[in-house]
Amino acid sequence: QKEVEQNSGPLSVPEGAIASLNCTYSDRGSQSFFWYRQYSGKSPELIMFIYSNGDKEDGRFTAQLNKASQYVSLLIRDSQPSDSATYLCAVGTGGFKTIFGAGTRLFVKA
Amino acid sequence: GAVVSQHPSWVICKSGTSVKIECRSLDFQATTMFWYRQFPKQSLMLMATSNEGSKATYEQGVEKDKFLINHASLTLSTLTVTSAHPEDSSFYICSARQGGAEAFFGQGTRLTVV
Repeated sequence: QKEVEQNSGPLSVPEGAIASLNCTYSDRGSQSFFWYRQYSGKSPELIMFIYSNGDKEDGRFTAQLNKASQYVSLLIRDSQPSDSATYLCAVGTGGFKTIFGAGTRLFVKA
Repeated sequence: GAVVSQHPSWVICKSGTSVKIECRSLDFQATTMFWYRQFPKQSLMLMATSNEGSKATYEQGVEKDKFLINHASLTLSTLTVTSAHPEDSSFYICSARQGGAEAFFGQGTRLTVV
């Protein structure tokens, strides 16, 4: 079982819709959770981080964490074509390691 | 967010030569830096964790004698790919932690070994 799992996609949504990206992790002791966006040929950029159960909102982005289910998600409201990218879920394990999922490719159709 | 600068952004080298990649935290002190490798359409693979002033911790399967990591100061870590071969061609990315758990990435270095 992979430590951090994501659906590889591609996930295709129309412009203006809500994109929902999901991630599960295996280490119950994980304390920190991150979403990164990576455009093709570029390095990842941090979008959101969340440490506590529940929702965290930042602009059009909402991160949701459920530690009991070992599940973290990212919602993108009013999706724009510029949101088209690969979204990486990352989980901070014990110590200093951050484990990345394989990423979900998102396409937002104009 | 914090700024991490990586240099060079791309490099082409001949097989058998060595290449050094620099990773600098510009506006914060990074006690821990990470080096990743990413092949096309694949996820980031952690190569090693680098702590300032101590030896790097390499992930299983990563040759420490081939990928030399130095973290001499709180703002600089270097990765040297020694005796590079075409199979080492990849996108190498560093990241640094500011103090919290979130890490910030450098721009990445695309290495092509010919």
